[in-house]
Amino acid sequence: DIQLTQSPSFLSASVGDRVEITCRASQDISSSLAWYQQKPGKAPKLLIYAASILQSGVPSRFSGSGSRTDFTLTISSLQPEDFATYYCQHLNSFPLTFGGGTKVEIK
Amino acid sequence: QVQLVQSGAEVRKPGASVKVSCKASGYTFSTYHIHWVRQAPGQGLEWMGIINPSGDSTTYAQKFRGRVSMTTDTSTTTVYMELSSLRSDDTAVYFCARAGLYNVADYWGQGTLVTAST
Repeated sequence: DIQLTQSPSFLSASVGDRVEITCRASQDISSSLAWYQQKPGKAPKLLIYAASILQSGVPSRFSGSGSRTDFTLTISSLQPEDFATYYCQHLNSFPLTFGGGTKVEIK
Repeated sequence: QVQLVQSGAEVRKPGASVKVSCKASGYTFSTYHIHWVRQAPGQGLEWMGIINPSGDSTTYAQKFRGRVSMTTDTSTTTVYMELSSLRSDDTAVYFCARAGLYNVADYWGQGTLVTAST
């Protein structure tokens, strides 16, 4: 099975900060990676798929980059509504595992 | 608009089974597979498996094989996930999600809390 390692697992940041979250795959997954945002008590929300394609309706301050084993989710200017937990998921082969998550909290 | 509406919370004793439903609407049911994902309290997301809309093709995560069964009812556009031999560590919120382009989970149900407890 492909393992995904997210870092950091916890991040404290201020409104307006640029935030980067990384996701490392245990083997080459090409661009088969998605990013989700989850707020407490809610279902996850798709942000980015195919490593860098922004899902319709997602603000442009979110962007994704990377390929093969190393990926990054960037929030260019953190907004109050962005404080949440973020997960990566690979879509290369079954099982479609998730990373462990990164919780973004207010500094 | 695309909607996935799940059944309500369930409480079961260890060893019992639970069946969670996921009613799809707002899109052509026959076109998209459905994922099941769970989340234990305070923990991350865990992919359980995927089923095609006609229900004749499933792929389950190794961890759940032999205990999980995913089925569909095309007449009611409803997908079901049944988990048997429940243990206390099966206590979690179970989500269904539509598998869109590249199999990404693009629309999610609201989640169903399953509690396995004596």
